[in-house]
Amino acid sequence: DVKVTQSSRYLVKRTGEKVFLECVQDMDHENMFWYRQDPGLGLRLIYFSYDVKMKEKGDIPEGYSVSREKKERFSLILESASTNQTSMYLCASSLPGFGNTIYFGEGSWLTVV
Amino acid sequence: AQSVTQPDIHITVSEGASLELRCNYSYGATPYLFWYVQSPGQGLQLLLKYFSGDTLVQGIKGFEAEFKRSQSSFNLRKPSVHWSDAAEYFCAVDSDGNKLVFGAGTILRVKS
Repeated sequence: DVKVTQSSRYLVKRTGEKVFLECVQDMDHENMFWYRQDPGLGLRLIYFSYDVKMKEKGDIPEGYSVSREKKERFSLILESASTNQTSMYLCASSLPGFGNTIYFGEGSWLTVV
Repeated sequence: AQSVTQPDIHITVSEGASLELRCNYSYGATPYLFWYVQSPGQGLQLLLKYFSGDTLVQGIKGFEAEFKRSQSSFNLRKPSVHWSDAAEYFCAVDSDGNKLVFGAGTILRVKS
């Protein structure tokens, strides 16, 4: 069974803290993605990666960075958390190519106080 | 730029009634279209997807969707809704190499 695992389901962090959200997939997928989900806005793409050490900005990269040192792991980093980054974060992975199924993790709820 | 519109934020249907969730997209070429479902507190699960060919696509859990190019629509349907179908539903288009563009979502409530 395919699996995208987000190790932290619920986090509460203080403004200004550095936050790491970890994501691991066990399907040997080249593509990995980080989305942010907010009510009424759907999912918006933050960053994506098509290969190890490769990263590209999505639609809303400001305030975020990513790291992909190994194929199976894709980390989202909030360098200095702010309250407007309180949200649900979803990691996803897929094989390369149009139309391939994208598999999602269960999400990480981040609250910044 | 590609975009997806789900006109209905909330929909309430009675258990056993039929369901149609609307989705309109804006995309220049032949679209790759998806419907995902998200149960409360969970990630997204793929219901079905369309690439080409037969415009009526069957998915899991008894769902189907019809692609209508002339209307730029990809509406999701189910003939008889069950209480367990209560969830949020997202329509999405593959804009560029698996980068999905999502609609804002439709929350489905099922009343018994």
